Amino acid sequence: EADIYQTPRYLVIGTGKKITLECSQTMGHDKMYWYQQDPGMELHLIHYSYGVNSTEKGDLSSESTVSRIRTEHFPLTLESARPSHTSQYLCASSEPSSQGYLDGYTFGSGTRLTVV
Amino acid sequence: AQTVTQSQPEMSVQEAETVTLSCTYDTSENNYYLFWYKQPPSRQMILVIRQEAYKQQNATENRFSVNFQKAAKSFSLKISDSQLGDTAMYFCAFMNTNAGKSTFGDGTTLTVKP
Repeated sequence: EADIYQTPRYLVIGTGKKITLECSQTMGHDKMYWYQQDPGMELHLIHYSYGVNSTEKGDLSSESTVSRIRTEHFPLTLESARPSHTSQYLCASSEPSSQGYLDGYTFGSGTRLTVV
Repeated sequence: AQTVTQSQPEMSVQEAETVTLSCTYDTSENNYYLFWYKQPPSRQMILVIRQEAYKQQNATENRFSVNFQKAAKSFSLKISDSQLGDTAMYFCAFMNTNAGKSTFGDGTTLTVKP
């Protein structure tokens, strides 16, 4: 049962359109992340946030932007979609456990984006 | 910067047998976390097992166990009594304790054959 939700699950859109990929979590986690994953390939961090009003760019250059106005919501926006943006986008969150150690990520189901 | 290397792009194992997936990493940090994640075909990625670098004891979760060799910077995953549901892509990941960001390996596609 997922506690982190991504919508839409699949999206096909034309070049030049503006799109927003939604990510919401119900766990109250401060840390949230966006990864880009091409089919059968590794994950690349494109954005992350350590809390409200905190956002940073990741290791992979991306033309997308993110916002973090509420703890539970971390949307990713592409102002003008291009075929090179075709990929799977994974949202994740994490939080230190009650015992103080860092737990792993909880992932959403992903959004598979195709730009035609 | 950290790097994570999974040298086996694809592996297969017969049902009920044991398989080991390899992972090596490079870091200058002393305290960190290592993870294995499982991504079944067209399904959500889930955490399989976690290892804290300061712990010498290898982590175990039911049929899944790790062999953590800190000096060698090696972190392999052993799956015992493999089941058809173990068929998935497995990712090794490094997380530093300060930033909480994770670096992932390229993944190993595991197929369990009946």
